[in-house]
Amino acid sequence: GAGVSQSPRYKVAKRGQDVALRCDPISGHVSLFWYQQALGQGPEFLTYFQNEAQLDKSGLPSDRFFAERPEGSVSTLKIQRTQQEDSAVYLCASSLVSGVGYGYTFGSGTRLTVV
Amino acid sequence: SQQGEEDPQALSIQEGENATMNCSYKTSINNLQWYRQNSGRGLVHLILIRSNEREKHSGRLRVTLDTSKKSSSLLITASRAADTASYFCATVTDSWGKFQFGAGTQVVVTP
Repeated sequence: GAGVSQSPRYKVAKRGQDVALRCDPISGHVSLFWYQQALGQGPEFLTYFQNEAQLDKSGLPSDRFFAERPEGSVSTLKIQRTQQEDSAVYLCASSLVSGVGYGYTFGSGTRLTVV
Repeated sequence: SQQGEEDPQALSIQEGENATMNCSYKTSINNLQWYRQNSGRGLVHLILIRSNEREKHSGRLRVTLDTSKKSSSLLITASRAADTASYFCATVTDSWGKFQFGAGTQVVVTP
């Protein structure tokens, strides 16, 4: 597609439930980032993939968070045993090349609400 | 933790007026970028300024960068109602190109 697609757009999860958030980057894009944006805040880095390799996962808040990109295209962010503090918008961004810090396209995000 | 802070947190102006917002950051950067986010939407890239540049223009946008003060400003001239959005600065500090965002400035432009 023309842009970065994220699904679902909205997700309501009961506390303790597992969720999976999907990101479809622009075809051929090498770099893929996940960010978490709490209400009224700027996005915060979660993890980075270069093709299928997860090169940086230093931003994942806990071991309940797991991300994968097995074939170097679609990525999934999984959150196990969700808690209320996980409520946020999860943004995905991709770029054609890596390491230059520009040329990113962001998806519209998935708004996760944990009740 | 977030790299920088933005000032003001919120800004309300009338159409035709200029809007200025500032961003301060903490560590050395490769480049600094400004993004716009409409409510419930993703981030849209506005402009990039490299660490060796001091000023850049794009349409009605003007960005300055002062690396000695670790600060940047974004000026939107002749604002329009469609400029209503949150504006974020983002710095790139590492070789992966990952961003560190400020907390954003919420701008409301009334007709």
